[in-house]
Amino acid sequence: DAGVTQSPTHLIKTRGQQVTLRCSPKSGHDTVSWYQQALGQGPQFIFQYYEEEERQRGNFPDRFSGHQFPNYSSELNVNALLLGDSALYLCASSQEGQPLLGNEQFFGPGTRLTVL
Amino acid sequence: GIQVEQSPPDLILQEGANSTLRCNFSDSVNNLQWFHQNPWGQLINLFYIPSGTKQNGRLSATTVATERYSLLYISSSQTTDSGVYFCAVPNFGNEKLTFGTGTRLTIIP
Repeated sequence: DAGVTQSPTHLIKTRGQQVTLRCSPKSGHDTVSWYQQALGQGPQFIFQYYEEEERQRGNFPDRFSGHQFPNYSSELNVNALLLGDSALYLCASSQEGQPLLGNEQFFGPGTRLTVL
Repeated sequence: GIQVEQSPPDLILQEGANSTLRCNFSDSVNNLQWFHQNPWGQLINLFYIPSGTKQNGRLSATTVATERYSLLYISSSQTTDSGVYFCAVPNFGNEKLTFGTGTRLTIIP
């Protein structure tokens, strides 16, 4: 059973550039969430995609955008990169179906983005 | 939004020791997850525990939802247990996880 996969593993960009990160959910999962984890902190929620639509968004600027494809995979795009965008970006997947309990989320290995 | 605090922030133990990590949350939750983040950044699922007690080998967890806390027990610690432990709770439904502040555990051989 394949877990959540992310690519690339590491990425180095310069200020002002744009970046695209990719995520494939765990087999059987249809919901993808993205988190940003700065050094020494806990992950912070960016947004969640379900049925190819953004369902909920955290406190992140519009420079952060995403997409979900019909096969449930997802992309995170960040425009006009800032030094402060340097972080570990984590993708999590879950299976919709327990609206009262919430669903267990499983995380990928992350993409470490460095902005110079 | 909901606040999640963990204690202690840091814990250094000898191999073989036992430990208890605590997670307090400020509002009612319908489930709670415990994760271990290894040195490479991978978040590993330990428990999905809305209430009650679960055990998995040397690890066990208890959530008392009515009192808004959860405990993670690690027995007979091994060096591979080192890393940061996070608890996380969702708002009701399939919403974002709010993570705690984390406990950094270091096991010394």
